[in-house]
Amino acid sequence: LAKTTQPISMDSYEGQEVNITCSHNNIATNDYITWYQQFPSQGPRFIIQGYKTKVTNEVASLFIPADRKSSTLSLPRVSLSDTAVYYCLVDQNAGNMLTFGGGTRLMVKP
Amino acid sequence: EAQVTQNPRYLITVTGKKLTVTCSQNMNHEYMSWYRQDPGLGLRQIYYSMNVEVTDKGDVPEGYKVSRKEKRNFPLILESPSPNQTSLYFCASSSLGEARSYEQYFGPGTRLTVT
Repeated sequence: LAKTTQPISMDSYEGQEVNITCSHNNIATNDYITWYQQFPSQGPRFIIQGYKTKVTNEVASLFIPADRKSSTLSLPRVSLSDTAVYYCLVDQNAGNMLTFGGGTRLMVKP
Repeated sequence: EAQVTQNPRYLITVTGKKLTVTCSQNMNHEYMSWYRQDPGLGLRQIYYSMNVEVTDKGDVPEGYKVSRKEKRNFPLILESPSPNQTSLYFCASSSLGEARSYEQYFGPGTRLTVT
């Protein structure tokens, strides 16, 4: 079971770029890395997913080094509405449970 | 609109009174799952289903049952609820794509209180 480790919390200011790093030392060869965002009392929402190098979409970028033992979610120019908990997941074999972990609580200040 | 629906959204019940929380998705997803979320413990998976009639235990299955008789529905059953099952419950679904990774779509949550 590939466990992930993230910072418990982070603070930022509006307009800044935020980078949240996740450690997953035991990631398996076929595992993907997925990030979710969760607002209070809402279900998590998929942000981005990647396997290696860099992935970018309209919301974020995901950087994965060659050894894949960590990954970094990058949120460009955050706003107050980006205040949420961000979870890093490493997928297991097909059908196995997906472990969310504690996530990183991001607070964006004006 | 593609969505996962859960009912009820809020429920207060008493210990021992059987209850069912329904979950339905309209995306023809094979994979469905139930999670509970408690303060300080994050999201923990209760049960998941790879397809119709295929279910398996997650991290915290004790005290729960599920069934998957139809592809779109995945009800969570608490035969004899206890106060330690007071929690926020989420249902999720996903397509089993070619890659071994799933983008999960989550329902709005069901807040259950057992007194």
